[in-house]
Amino acid sequence: SQELEQSPQSLIVQEGKNLTINCTSSKTLYGLYWYKQKYGEGLIFLMMLQKGGEEKSHEKITAKLDEKKQQSSLHITASQPSHAGIYLCGADTIYDKIIFGKGTRLHILP
Amino acid sequence: DGGITQSPKYLFRKEGQNVTLSCEQNLNHDAMYWYRQDPGQGLRLIYYSQIVNDFQKGDIAEGYSVSREKKESFPLTVTSAQKNPTAFYLCASRLAGNFGYTFGSGTRLTVV
Repeated sequence: SQELEQSPQSLIVQEGKNLTINCTSSKTLYGLYWYKQKYGEGLIFLMMLQKGGEEKSHEKITAKLDEKKQQSSLHITASQPSHAGIYLCGADTIYDKIIFGKGTRLHILP
Repeated sequence: DGGITQSPKYLFRKEGQNVTLSCEQNLNHDAMYWYRQDPGQGLRLIYYSQIVNDFQKGDIAEGYSVSREKKESFPLTVTSAQKNPTAFYLCASRLAGNFGYTFGSGTRLTVV
């Protein structure tokens, strides 16, 4: 079965610094999703990547899918307190369901 | 506005009792899903349904039951057979095909 591994598990950065979160799949990715979760709340959709080498940006967040379609990264530029939360990657499977990584907890220090 | 609504936000249950979590969507999505989230475990799939009157077990279905009598509704019952039900439960829906999920705001269930 397919598994997603996220790294790091937890990240503490100073406000204004850049950071990167990684998501590695045990199998080829056909649809990769990034979500953000505020503590105790639901997940908010950030971006979806499908093609090898694809890159998408929204405000200060950029997500990339590597050419081999087995790894994705999420990069935040000039982090702000509003970026704090849990970031989860998810991948499509052949059974019309998405599997998720265990998440990366991001803390922003003022 | 279209969306997916979970209720209640917080739920307390005594040991040995069944409890039902509500999930309603007005997005006209075909598929609906229930996930459980525990600290350090990520999201684990309990049940999912792709069409009305049909549903499939996920990875951790034991101790849970669902129904899908209407397209808009996918309630989850946590039965007394679930040995460790205290968790955060998330409901989601999606259109058929490769589209991301829309999530509800979650229900936190605590067994007292």
